[in-house]
Amino acid sequence: NAGVTQTPKFQVLKTGQSMTLQCAQDMNHEYMSWYRQDPGMGLRLIHYSVGAGITDQGEVPNGYNVSRSTTEDFPLRLLSAAPSQTSVYFCASSYGVVGYQETQYFGPGTRLLVL
Amino acid sequence: AQKITQTQPGMFVQEKEAVTLDCTYDTSDQSYGLFWYKQPSSGEMIFLIYQGSYDEQNATEGRYSLNFQKARKSANLVISASQLGDSAMYFCAMREPEEAGGTSYGKLTFGQGTILTVHP
Repeated sequence: NAGVTQTPKFQVLKTGQSMTLQCAQDMNHEYMSWYRQDPGMGLRLIHYSVGAGITDQGEVPNGYNVSRSTTEDFPLRLLSAAPSQTSVYFCASSYGVVGYQETQYFGPGTRLLVL
Repeated sequence: AQKITQTQPGMFVQEKEAVTLDCTYDTSDQSYGLFWYKQPSSGEMIFLIYQGSYDEQNATEGRYSLNFQKARKSANLVISASQLGDSAMYFCAMREPEEAGGTSYGKLTFGQGTILTVHP
């Protein structure tokens, strides 16, 4: 199993550009989520999905879109990048949402710089 | 109010000694999970240990143990026999119901992290 994979590892954007951060998992996990990590603030939830076709907003959703057409993939779209979106982005997945004991497994992260 | 509080921005420990990283949490739910993750300088998030709110015994995983004090709402991570490779950022996180009393557990709420430095 590859686990949770993310591409690209690093990206530089200009303000106003759009891009998609890719996330895939091969563990047949129902639950997938996107977090951003900023210095001194820990990880904050952007969007999450409890299964194919179902998504919802997290703590900091503004400026981001998601969709979940398959169990495996959960891309994060920045429609018009802003410097405030400079951050490290992590995708995570877990088997389900019924039990609070489900461990979330993280991808390696994408480092995004918006100029 | 902070859901997860890690009051130690940085900690230092001598190699081979034990160290405790503090974590307190705030929830009104009875059913929740507590997790610790390690983030080395390479950036990945590595799951270390889990404690459920109904677990009567403290969780242990190798050199990691979780000192769970439910009444005090604390879930401190204890690392025994520290190694140089333990130098990293450590995050405490909680998983609780999406809605109070609900049965759907989605997101993790993270603390701000503690940077641990192990000296030789």
